[in-house]
Amino acid sequence: EAQVTQNPRYLITVTGKKLTVTCSQNMNHEYMSWYRQDPGLGLRQIYYSMNVEVTDKGDVPEGYKVSRKEKRNFPLILESPSPNQTSLYFCASSPHGGGAKYGYTFGSGTRLTVV
Amino acid sequence: RKEVEQDPGPFNVPEGATVAFNCTYSNSASQSFFWYRQDCRKEPKLLMSVYSSGNEDGRFTAQLNRASQYISLLIRDSKLSDSATYLCVVPSGSGYALNFGKGTSLLVTP
Repeated sequence: EAQVTQNPRYLITVTGKKLTVTCSQNMNHEYMSWYRQDPGLGLRQIYYSMNVEVTDKGDVPEGYKVSRKEKRNFPLILESPSPNQTSLYFCASSPHGGGAKYGYTFGSGTRLTVV
Repeated sequence: RKEVEQDPGPFNVPEGATVAFNCTYSNSASQSFFWYRQDCRKEPKLLMSVYSSGNEDGRFTAQLNRASQYISLLIRDSKLSDSATYLCVVPSGSGYALNFGKGTSLLVTP
């Protein structure tokens, strides 16, 4: 089944404790992206990747890191999480370019709480 | 003007009703547009793509007005299962990302 898989689905952590949210897609998509969704603010892009070893900042990159060493994986790293990073996170992928033509397939989401 | 603007609603309609949502966008160079559906706390799912003046899929019709820079989504014969938030999505200026509207909430009641 074609899908985008995120882990974990739920995570509660403490301020400053490094964490990684994994994202994997099995569709051989070139483009992958991370979004966060907050009440009243909608979906905002954190980082995106056009292909292996090619990443760029989205609208809200502060406090996050990403890497794209393999085509299928695009982990999101929070080096020192803070409470304002409490949010619902989505990973998404698209066949080519930026998804501007094909739309995105989303993972099921990761609900992160930083206390 | 914000990149993508939607009326947040909520729209409360009875089963069987026809309901329409509008969305305005600022990037006049955009060539493709999307409507996504999002159920509470779940991932957005692609509902329709719009590349030309419009697109129809069963009870759903999406229309595009490039001159006025707006997109609409029409739902006919509403079902209880149509209750969700509908997101209007437009490519960014760079074309390398999608900008999401904040969504329009629909509640279909018996």
